Amino acid sequence: DVKVTQSSRYLVKRTGEKVFLECVQDMDHENMFWYRQDPGLGLRLIYFSYDVKMKEKGDIPEGYSVSREKKERFSLILESASTNQTSMYLCASSLPARGEKLFFGSGTQLSVL
Amino acid sequence: AQTVTQSQPEMSVQEAETVTLSCTYDTSESDYYLFWYKQPPSRQMILVIRQEAYKQQNATENRFSVNFQKAAKSFSLKISDSQLGDAAMYFCAYRGQGGSEKLVFGKGTKLTVNP
Repeated sequence: DVKVTQSSRYLVKRTGEKVFLECVQDMDHENMFWYRQDPGLGLRLIYFSYDVKMKEKGDIPEGYSVSREKKERFSLILESASTNQTSMYLCASSLPARGEKLFFGSGTQLSVL
Repeated sequence: AQTVTQSQPEMSVQEAETVTLSCTYDTSESDYYLFWYKQPPSRQMILVIRQEAYKQQNATENRFSVNFQKAAKSFSLKISDSQLGDAAMYFCAYRGQGGSEKLVFGKGTKLTVNP
């Protein structure tokens, strides 16, 4: 079974902390994505990566950075967490063709207090 | 930039009946892909159905079918013989041509299935 695994299902952090959200896929996919999901706003793309060490900003990259040192792992970093980054974070991966579907992780619900 | 609009924040349907979820999109491209994803309470997003813009035939997957109207930029999802397990958030998504391969999502429709 293909799998995208997010390291935490629930996470509680304090304002100003550095936060790492980890995502690992076992499908040898080139593309990996980080989305943020908020009620009434749908899914918004934060960053995506189309190869190791390659990344592109999505629609809402401010306050976030990413790291992709290995093909299977894509990390989202909140340099200094703020309360407005409390949200559900979804990682996804896909093959590079445009018609290919995204495989999603189960999400990390992050609360910043 | 492309946008995807789902005008129905919530919908409900009786078990065994049919429901249609609406989606419209805005693009100047001629070649693109459209998707419907389902997110049940478990939060695991799964693909329901996909449509290639250059294919005129509407995609079908078992009880799920789409009504793709390219000129109207409309992509609705029809669920026939609704089941309790169909209750979920449904997201319409667009993926265009060009160098960027990102998927643009609508805000979602919450579907409730009543027994």
